[in-house]
Amino acid sequence: EVQLVASGGGVVQPGGSLRLSCAASGFTFNDYTLHWVRQVPGKGLEWVALMSWDTDTTYYADFVEGRFIISRDYRGNSLYLQMNSLRREDTALYFCARDGRLRGIGDYIDVWGKGTPVTVSS
Amino acid sequence: SYELTQPPSVSVSPGQTANITCSGDNLGDKYASWYQQRPGQSPVLVIYQDNTRPSGIPERFSGSNSGNTATLTISGTQAIDEADYHCQAWDSSTVVFGGGTSLTVL
Repeated sequence: EVQLVASGGGVVQPGGSLRLSCAASGFTFNDYTLHWVRQVPGKGLEWVALMSWDTDTTYYADFVEGRFIISRDYRGNSLYLQMNSLRREDTALYFCARDGRLRGIGDYIDVWGKGTPVTVSS
Repeated sequence: SYELTQPPSVSVSPGQTANITCSGDNLGDKYASWYQQRPGQSPVLVIYQDNTRPSGIPERFSGSNSGNTATLTISGTQAIDEADYHCQAWDSSTVVFGGGTSLTVL
């Protein structure tokens, strides 16, 4: 069974940092681009970042403004999101998700994990 | 930046057809995808590349995309289809989502 399990969320003060992790299983990790997508409860989905299957390509949403870094670890089949200089407006549920195309980028997302909540508050 | 616009809510009677629209500049030149999200759950892909259903998605779900509008159609809508629906496209190296539409079956 294809699974993505995100963790690492929590409460952090404005200006603080947090590192999210996503453990992948049930598919060949090296063959798929992975994404982070977030959602404020009751609101729409907002894409955050992606890293390609071969790590050659990373893209970020404009609002990231250099504060977040996406990375992946092939030995551990894990995806990460290092979030620095957090703002109150970064408060959301963060989902790890898999790109739908084998060795593709963008197009669509076919697998979503359960989200991990991030709250930025003093 | 590219934007996708969806109506906040759509209502439909059981057994009838629901149409949920998603508008964006020349959206028909891109692929549109649709996700269903029930309360408290993660999104589920129901349509990709405009009109393709993933394995396990009922045939009553279909999609189209032309001009500036993509449409998700649910034929013979059932109570279990009540959920939020999000459209999505890929533009200029970014994944773009619409604001989501809440489908009420009543």
